[in-house]
Amino acid sequence: AQSVTQPDIHITVSEGASLELRCNYSYGATPYLFWYVQSPGQGLQLLLKYFSGDTLVQGIKGFEAEFKRSQSSFNLRKPSVHWSDAAEYFCAVAPGGANNLFFGTGTRLTVIP
Amino acid sequence: GAVVSQHPSRVICKSGTSVKIECRSLDFQATTMFWYRQFPKQSLMLMATSNEGSKATYEQGVEKDKFLINHASLTLSTLTVTSAHPEDSSFYICSARPFTGGKYNEQFFGPGTRLTVL
Repeated sequence: AQSVTQPDIHITVSEGASLELRCNYSYGATPYLFWYVQSPGQGLQLLLKYFSGDTLVQGIKGFEAEFKRSQSSFNLRKPSVHWSDAAEYFCAVAPGGANNLFFGTGTRLTVIP
Repeated sequence: GAVVSQHPSRVICKSGTSVKIECRSLDFQATTMFWYRQFPKQSLMLMATSNEGSKATYEQGVEKDKFLINHASLTLSTLTVTSAHPEDSSFYICSARPFTGGKYNEQFFGPGTRLTVL
């Protein structure tokens, strides 16, 4: 079945520590891939996206993500987390380049001092 | 640029009443708008896709008679929850997509509307 999986429901990291949020997808062709962030009670903000080309993509707020075709993964990373990064993070895919988005279940990030 | 607004941000209504939520693209024309529903601590589920001037396309399991969508202009789409019940309480998020002629047209999301049905 086609799906987007974020295996970590909740992650807690210390401020200044590095972060990696996992995302795996299950679609026939390589989809377009996205990471969004949602602050409490807010809409979604696009952090970064991958369509093709260089598999390491840079986004806003110091985030980056790496596409690994062999693992069907698109993990989000940040070398040093700030308290303001505490939020919900969603991985999303647009299968086959289609214009509809399908979201993972999200990972809630808590940042402790 | 690419700002999408929703109104109201929060609404509380009595069971059996209808509620209208507006989604506006403020600085671009949106040929397509999407409506999502998000339950607490869950992901966004696409409810329907609407193209300006035509009927909305609903996802499987979404009652079109209960969730009325109107996309009357290139900057406005409305979602009306008819005869609302407590189980309709949720966070409703819209997104708008301009047509730029590219291979993929990015969606821009509104801030969401929290609906509580008593």
